[in-house]
Amino acid sequence: DQQVKQNSPSLSVQEGRISILNCDYTNSMFDYFLWYKKYPAEGPTFLISISSIKDKNEDGRFTVFLNKSAKHLSLHIVPSQPGDSAVYFCAASGVNAGNMLTFGGGTRLMVKP
Amino acid sequence: ETGVTQSPTHLIKTRGQQVTLRCSSQSGHNTVSWYQQALGQGPQFIFQYYREEENGRGNFPPRFSGLQFPNYSSELNVNALELDDSALYLCASSFAGQWRETQYFGPGTRLLVL
Repeated sequence: DQQVKQNSPSLSVQEGRISILNCDYTNSMFDYFLWYKKYPAEGPTFLISISSIKDKNEDGRFTVFLNKSAKHLSLHIVPSQPGDSAVYFCAASGVNAGNMLTFGGGTRLMVKP
Repeated sequence: ETGVTQSPTHLIKTRGQQVTLRCSSQSGHNTVSWYQQALGQGPQFIFQYYREEENGRGNFPPRFSGLQFPNYSSELNVNALELDDSALYLCASSFAGQWRETQYFGPGTRLLVL
């Protein structure tokens, strides 16, 4: 039972264009969502997060949108850069869903120069 | 300020053996979580330790156990290894009460069970 799903295993984008990574969740108890980026041979690094009381959070080139009714969130990267090429994981947590992050399966983003 | 470190980086074991993986938390962090990441999948929560006690557990059998030491370093022990235990094992440290906002991950230990 996958509570957090990233349905696109990979995404290829041209440098300078927008990258949109999607994530769906099923557990209504989730109230905090995060995006992590992972390079090979490194651990995941925190990128951006959003609380369920908001529908948008922005940090530089990165914006996360949350649609609670659809149980969907997305990460927008504008403009995309070759250094953004990595695996991106969305993760979710809930106060009443255990002291844990539940991760999606990841999306490999490739930004072509 | 040092980040989260894990040892060893790679490990090969045979089925039925036992393994101990180690994690050194980021300076000042008092909470550590362990995750298993199988190939092509996202990390799966194993358990979390706070003040040397288990503070939450995912859907893993009892042969997965852990320890947290007074200096906040941590161990993950897996007994009776199975082939499906082959994975990248990640630890993440955080401040208690802030684990949701930010967890700092180590580079992981890659375990291969033959």
